[in-house]
Amino acid sequence: GESVGLHLPTLSVQEGDNSIINCAYSNSASDYFIWYKQESGKGPQFIIDIRSNMDKRQGQRVTVLLNKTVKHLSLQIAATQPGDSAVYFCAENREDSSYKLIFGSGTRLLVRP
Amino acid sequence: GAVVSQHPSWVICKSGTSVKIECRSLDFQATTMFWYRQFPKQSLMLMATSNEGSKATYEQGVEKDKFLINHASLTLSTLTVTSAHPEDSSFYICSAGQGALGLIGTDTQYFGPGTRLTVL
Repeated sequence: GESVGLHLPTLSVQEGDNSIINCAYSNSASDYFIWYKQESGKGPQFIIDIRSNMDKRQGQRVTVLLNKTVKHLSLQIAATQPGDSAVYFCAENREDSSYKLIFGSGTRLLVRP
Repeated sequence: GAVVSQHPSWVICKSGTSVKIECRSLDFQATTMFWYRQFPKQSLMLMATSNEGSKATYEQGVEKDKFLINHASLTLSTLTVTSAHPEDSSFYICSAGQGALGLIGTDTQYFGPGTRLTVL
């Protein structure tokens, strides 16, 4: 039968505020991390990536922070806009798995007008 | 650049039939493509790695005889769901990497728009 869907954690923010989405990863051997945005009924869209030799990387309105000590990754979105509403996934590339990506469980971002 | 397409975008079929889904890299060549499935409100689960010119590598628990993968060229991989059943209904997504695939951990994956499969 059909599996029961998990309830995605949801972050609700006011338009114009900053958003912080967190992700914990499990494998200390992972050396490459990516954040993806997925809108309903669409494939994941690349946002930003970071390698394990860095702890911060900035893009346009987005910043990714990596804390290898506690195996934590975060995505910061500045001046959140309604178009940012989506589900956000972190993904890790494990050095021992070649190019395979392991996805986190996802966070739904809702932007209130 | 780095555009990946899938066809069809959605398909409805009867139980017991087979369904083929195509994944194409439109503006780059990909020796490796990946197939994922995603149930509602869940994350993406890797099913298999599709290698051009060789057999696909399946993740644990994925039936290779059920989900046939053929990487026919450097721009095309197909996933065939054989003898589909209602529990196979899901969102199937492919991805392809751009760049030097010979370097571990350096390849960003770009995803297709997904194919919604509904088995009646």
